Order: sequence, then structure tokens, then C-alpha cells
Amino acid sequence: QKEVEQNSGPLSVPEGAIASLNCTYSDRVSQSFFWYRQYSGKSPELIMSIYSNGDKEDGRFTAQLNKASQYVSLLIRDSQPSDSATYLCAVKGHFGNEKLTFGTGTRLTIIP
Amino acid sequence: SQTIHQWPATLVQPVGSPLSLECTVEGTSNPNLYWYRQAAGRGLQLLFYSVGIGQISSEVPQNLSASRPQDRQFILSSKKLLLSDSGFYLCAWRDSGISSYEQYFGPGTRLTVT
Repeated sequence: QKEVEQNSGPLSVPEGAIASLNCTYSDRVSQSFFWYRQYSGKSPELIMSIYSNGDKEDGRFTAQLNKASQYVSLLIRDSQPSDSATYLCAVKGHFGNEKLTFGTGTRLTIIP
Repeated sequence: SQTIHQWPATLVQPVGSPLSLECTVEGTSNPNLYWYRQAAGRGLQLLFYSVGIGQISSEVPQNLSASRPQDRQFILSSKKLLLSDSGFYLCAWRDSGISSYEQYFGPGTRLTVT
């Protein structure tokens, strides 16, 4: 079982719709969770972090965390063509561990 | 604001040649620094991290090494490159003074070993 799993996609979403990206993780003591956006040929860019169960909203982005189910998701409202990218989920383990474990990413395409 | 630089941006090296990639961070002090590799079609793999000058932790045993000669400088090296060393090398930093563990990436170096 992979430590952090994401559906590789591609996920195609019409412009203006909600894109839903999912991630599951195996380490129950994981504390911190991150979503990065990576455009083709570029480095990852941090877009959201979440530490507590529930929802966290930032503009068009909402991160959702359910530690009991070991599940984290990212919703993108009013999807734009500029949202087309690969989205990486990253998980930090127990306290004092510096390591972020990344999923392999979900490729999202917004269709105009 | 903080800025992270990496160079070179791209590199083509023959098998068996040495390697030196450099990363510097501006606008912060005592950052935690990280080297990752992203191979084609694979996830980000943490190679090394450093919490201070001269302090290096290795995550994956291989023919690469890292050094931190100055507070905001992180260097990735190899004495002899292998074909399998090809990939996108990313340096990242985080503020060691806060507990958020958010890491920020540099622009990366794309390495092709031929």
C-alpha cells in the first residue's frame, strides 16, 4: 500500500464547474496535509495546508480533512482553464519528523 | 519576502561525470532546507534535508551527497552520475521558527544523464 495515494487522472472538468481531487494516506499519526499545484515543466506551488478535521476555504479552493477516514480532498470552485495542472497531495508524519510524503499527483484538465 | 534560487536550470551530463547543484534562499534566516528528486511519471522523493549548517540527513542511500556550507546555501553533489540520476531536482525551504511545516520549492534543475 502506498503511503499517499491519489488517482492519477486525467480528470476532466468543464469550465465553471467544481473540480474534486482526493487523497488517502496510510499513516494514522499524520498531522499536517498540503496541496501543491504543479504546471507542466514547473516546480510545485503550495496552494493549501490543513491541520484539523473539517473544511478550510481560501478563495476558490476548499481543503477537506477527515483523519478518521485518513482522507483529504481539494475542491476547486468555478474552475478556470488556468487551473489545469497536476495537483500533489503531501502528508507530514508524526511530530518532529521533517519528511513530507507526496502522492504521485492527479492531472486536472479544465475544458473551456 | 523570501526567494529561493536554483542553478543551473537545465543540465546535460554524461554518465560518470560529477555533479554540483546549488540552492540559495534569500529573506530568511536558519531555514530548513530540502532536496527532492522528481523522476518522470513518479512522485517527489526526498533525498536530503538540513536543519542547520553542516547538519545533513539522508533519506535515500545512493551516489548523491549534500552539503550546507552556509546558512542559506544547500548543495547537491555526485562524484559519478548514473543514468538513473536523471530527473527534476527541486530544492525547498521552510521556516524553522514556526510549526506549520509548509515547504516552498525553488524553480528546479532538470538533469539529463546521457
